[in-house]
Amino acid sequence: DVKVTQSSRYLVKRTGEKVFLECVQDMDHENMFWYRQDPGLGLRLIYFSYDVKMKEKGDIPEGYSVSREKKERFSLILESASTNQTSMYLCASSFGTVNTEAFFGQGTRLTVV
Amino acid sequence: GENVEQHPSTLSVQEGDSAVIKCTYSDSASNYFPWYKQELGKRPQLIIDIRSNVGEKKDQRIAVTLNKTAKHFSLHITETQPEDSAVYFCAASGAYKYIFGTGTRLKVLA
Repeated sequence: DVKVTQSSRYLVKRTGEKVFLECVQDMDHENMFWYRQDPGLGLRLIYFSYDVKMKEKGDIPEGYSVSREKKERFSLILESASTNQTSMYLCASSFGTVNTEAFFGQGTRLTVV
Repeated sequence: GENVEQHPSTLSVQEGDSAVIKCTYSDSASNYFPWYKQELGKRPQLIIDIRSNVGEKKDQRIAVTLNKTAKHFSLHITETQPEDSAVYFCAASGAYKYIFGTGTRLKVLA
């Protein structure tokens, strides 16, 4: 059973803080993703990674960076949190180069005040 | 850039009726089309998927159709039940990444 685990379910941070969201998967998946979910906007891709130390920008990378030092862990970093980054953040992972199911974490509800 | 349009944004049906959700994608390189169901407060979970070499796929009460020429794909739920109430997302995938639609909130009225 694939498990994608995000480090926090709820986070409250102050404007200007550096914020780290962590995601770990236990199925040796090559691909990992960070999405942001907002009402009416669906799931928007922030960054993804198809291998260790590799990263690609998604549709809304501005204000975010990522780190993938180990295959199982993919971190999303908000360099200087702003109120417009208040959102639900979802991590996902998938296997290899053949398109298959993406498995999601439980989500992190981030509030920036 | 690549995008996926999904309609309708909300859909209410009577229990036992059918529901249809439609998506259109822009990237011709997309070859995998999953559908996810997200219940309130939970993570999205795959309910059915289809690949570009297949036109239709069915799993009990749910089915998906794909028209590659028109770049359309649709989710069909028959004999809807209250537990089908959720938000449904379509997605299109080509090289590694998944581009999602904006979601459809389905309400099944008892």
